[in-house]
Amino acid sequence: EPEVTQTPSHQVTQMGQEVILRCVPISNHLYFYWYRQILGQKVEFLVSFYNNEISEKSEIFDDQFSVERPDGSNFTLKIRSTKLEDSAMYFCASSEPGPSNQPQHFGDGTRLSIL
Amino acid sequence: RKEVEQDPGPFNVPEGATVAFNCTYSNSASQSFFWYRQDCRKEPKLLMSVYSSGNEDGRFTAQLNRASQYISLLIRDSKLSDSATYLCVVNRNYGQNFVFGPGTRLSVLP
Repeated sequence: EPEVTQTPSHQVTQMGQEVILRCVPISNHLYFYWYRQILGQKVEFLVSFYNNEISEKSEIFDDQFSVERPDGSNFTLKIRSTKLEDSAMYFCASSEPGPSNQPQHFGDGTRLSIL
Repeated sequence: RKEVEQDPGPFNVPEGATVAFNCTYSNSASQSFFWYRQDCRKEPKLLMSVYSSGNEDGRFTAQLNRASQYISLLIRDSKLSDSATYLCVVNRNYGQNFVFGPGTRLSVLP
C-alpha cells in the first residue's frame, strides 16, 4: 500500500535555527498538508497546498513558516528562527483530487525538539 | 463552543464489549466527516469516512446526523487491538482544512 514518508523521524535543533522537514506524498495525490501535534494535545492544521501554491493556512502558519514543492516528489516545511514552542510532532498528509470529501493519508511524522 | 468536541474518555471496556463514541461539530457548513484512530505517539490512521446515510465496515458503524451536527462511532465485539485514541475529523467549510477533535481514548481490557 502506498505511503506518505517523512524525514527525519526526529530532529533536534537549537532555538533560533532554521529547520526543514521533508515529506514524500503518495505519488498520485495532488493535495498536500502539514499538521502539528504538541505532546498531549490535539492535531492542528497548519497549511494545505495544491497546484504549487498554498490553498489554505491556519493562524498558526505565520511568517516563520513556509512550504515548498521543490521537485516532483518532495514537499517541505521550513521553520525559520525556531522557538521553544515549535517543539511538536509534525505530520505531512496527502489526498487524492476532490479534497473536501477525500480522506487524508498521514506520514508517520517528524518529532521536532527545540532546545 | 469548540469546533469539534468528543466524549472526554477514557473508555475502559472488556474484550467483546460494544462501545460508542460521540462527536459534535459547530460549523453547519462542514461537508466531510471521518473517524481516525491514533496509537500512542503515532500518526492518525483513517478508520472510516462517515456518510449521510450511515455506513458500516465490519465491526465499525458510523452515523451522521446533520440536523444535530452529531457523529457517532460504534465498535462491536471489541478487540485488544482496538485500544487507541479515536479522532473525530471534520472539514472546515468546503475546504481542505481538517479540524480534529481532541480524541477519545479507548482501552480494551483482557
